[in-house]
Amino acid sequence: QTVVTQEPSFSVSPGGTVTLTCGLSSGSVSTSHRPSWYQQTPGQAPRTLIYSTNTRSSGVPDRFSGSILGNKAALTITGAQADDESDYYCVLYMGSAIWVFGGGTKLTVL
Amino acid sequence: QVQLVESGGGVVQPGGSLRLSCAASGFTFSSYVMHWVRQAPGKGLEWVAYIRLDGINKYYADSVQGRLTVSRDNSKNTLYLQMNSVRAEDTAVYYCARDREYHFEYWGQGTLVTVSS
Repeated sequence: QTVVTQEPSFSVSPGGTVTLTCGLSSGSVSTSHRPSWYQQTPGQAPRTLIYSTNTRSSGVPDRFSGSILGNKAALTITGAQADDESDYYCVLYMGSAIWVFGGGTKLTVL
Repeated sequence: QVQLVESGGGVVQPGGSLRLSCAASGFTFSSYVMHWVRQAPGKGLEWVAYIRLDGINKYYADSVQGRLTVSRDNSKNTLYLQMNSVRAEDTAVYYCARDREYHFEYWGQGTLVTVSS
């Protein structure tokens, strides 16, 4: 059973930089997993931020960026703002038309 | 603009059935593969199902295999999720999403399914 791992919670100061990660319980994340990232606030549908590792979705500010760091996918928020306080989810494509979400990271901006 | 509107959610008894719909507009529905994703109350997102353009090839998460069935009617621009033999753990908001390059590009607002006696 593949498990996609994310930090359960993270905090960042306004204006600061934070990097959230997305790993695998077994093995390394690579670009072939097509990592994508989503932002979700309570009661709302997810919003797509990043796809194919590092491509920003339309309308997403450039302070959001994606990458592979070591053996994990990463979402970096530069110059965090109060309205970045949200849940962030990564999802990996495992091949054979199967996708697996991470458990999500609750980001606090304070 | 792209719009996905889910409907059909509600309260269903354990072991019962329900059919969800997702009405698509603002794009050529028949040209896109589609997904269902769900979120249990207070929990994270879970990919549920995927259907290719012609509606023949379908793939499911292990947790729903054999009980939930995805389908589409390209003439009606509508995606469906037939839920049979539902369990308490199927209680969730169900989102439909349009695929692009292996990710969920656009999302609907979701429809809540509650399995309860």
